[in-house]
Amino acid sequence: SQTIHQWPATLVQPVGSPLSLECTVEGTSNPNLYWYRQAAGRGLQLLFYSVGIGQISSEVPQNLSASRPQDRQFILSSKKLLLSDSGFYLCAWSFASGRENEQFFGPGTRLTVL
Amino acid sequence: GESVGLHLPTLSVQEGDNSIINCAYSNSASDYFIWYKQESGKGPQFIIDIRSNMDKRQGQRVTVLLNKTVKHLSLQIAATQPGDSAVYFCAENTGRRALTFGSGTRLQVQP
Repeated sequence: SQTIHQWPATLVQPVGSPLSLECTVEGTSNPNLYWYRQAAGRGLQLLFYSVGIGQISSEVPQNLSASRPQDRQFILSSKKLLLSDSGFYLCAWSFASGRENEQFFGPGTRLTVL
Repeated sequence: GESVGLHLPTLSVQEGDNSIINCAYSNSASDYFIWYKQESGKGPQFIIDIRSNMDKRQGQRVTVLLNKTVKHLSLQIAATQPGDSAVYFCAENTGRRALTFGSGTRLQVQP
């Protein structure tokens, strides 16, 4: 079976500090990978998705970036965090079988920027 | 742009009653829909899905109805339990790489 991991679970960072959130998937090969952000009491905003190593598509212009150094590893980064970067960050994966259907979500990372 | 939205931000029901959560979509090209349940502090979990060539699909205590004429999707939960309390999202596949999510409905189950 497949599993998805995210860490850290919670993070408190000062404004202007760097960020690195990691997501890994086990039990499948060549998954599509996604990063979402969820503000408190709101829906999910797609930030990035990747269909393969080194292939990143950005959905929303921002001071965040994503990388996929390995097939089942997806990293969300920032060089300098803003207050508005606070939120719940969710990583998800789906099978790479034509049009994407069901996405499986990780447990999320709660980021607070002070 | 086209989007998915929900009619009610919060739904409160009595334990044992049936719940109906509604979702409107505007992209007629969408051919796949999913309902997710998200408990506080956790990632969304898949509940049930339906393809556009179907009108109804049933799972365990849940039923999804799709009305393509009016672009409406609903999730019915039978005999709602306290453990059903969560935020429910509908999502659609518009043909892009990722799903488009609605804003969510909070379901509160009163004992």
